[in-house]
Amino acid sequence: KAGVTQTPRYLIKTRGQQVTLSCSPISGHRSVSWYQQTPGQGLQFLFEYFSETQRNKGNFPGRFSGRQFSNSRSEMNVSTLELGDSALYLCASSFSQLDRVYEQYFGPGTRLTVT
Amino acid sequence: AQSVAQPEDQVNVAEGNPLTVKCTYSVSGNPYLFWYVQYPNRGLQFLLKYITGDNLVKGSYGFEAEFNKSQTSFHLKKPSALVSDSALYFCAVRDIPDSNYQLIWGAGTKLIIKP
Repeated sequence: KAGVTQTPRYLIKTRGQQVTLSCSPISGHRSVSWYQQTPGQGLQFLFEYFSETQRNKGNFPGRFSGRQFSNSRSEMNVSTLELGDSALYLCASSFSQLDRVYEQYFGPGTRLTVT
Repeated sequence: AQSVAQPEDQVNVAEGNPLTVKCTYSVSGNPYLFWYVQYPNRGLQFLLKYITGDNLVKGSYGFEAEFNKSQTSFHLKKPSALVSDSALYFCAVRDIPDSNYQLIWGAGTKLIIKP
């Protein structure tokens, strides 16, 4: 099975711009989660989508948004970029089923640099 | 509220020696517990999980973890460390029962194995 893929792998944007990151989960996985990883803050949960619905949301401002398509692929968007948004953005997929918990499988991440 | 603590920012071990990376948790019910490893410039990789049953869980790359309910701990162990084990290790927990599917992550522990 192919793993979780994320595009692009690296991105440089200017403050004030917006960016869209893409994630393709492992085939059969319906849950996709997004995380922001920075040296100072560690791994911060952004949101999780399951069957095209946002199931969980972390404590991030409304500039961070996401969506999931019918094929489980997901995108996250950050509008009005700030310098502090520079981070590694990780996507993770899992085979989610009610009352059962499965491990998450992570993509390689998108390294976003805001200048 | 759920929480996870990794009390050591960094652990240094000589190659060939046993290693332990500590994790303690706080949940209201019964926990699902996970360990992940992150190598430099890579996404996270799943190592092992505890759902129920035997308190000693074996995972990838020779790692194991012991679930201790009375001490609310889930320490990661390996009998003989390799230089290639040097990486960032994350512990995560999900409470049961919980309608919120979100994983709670520790801050990570940097493991350095010296030759």
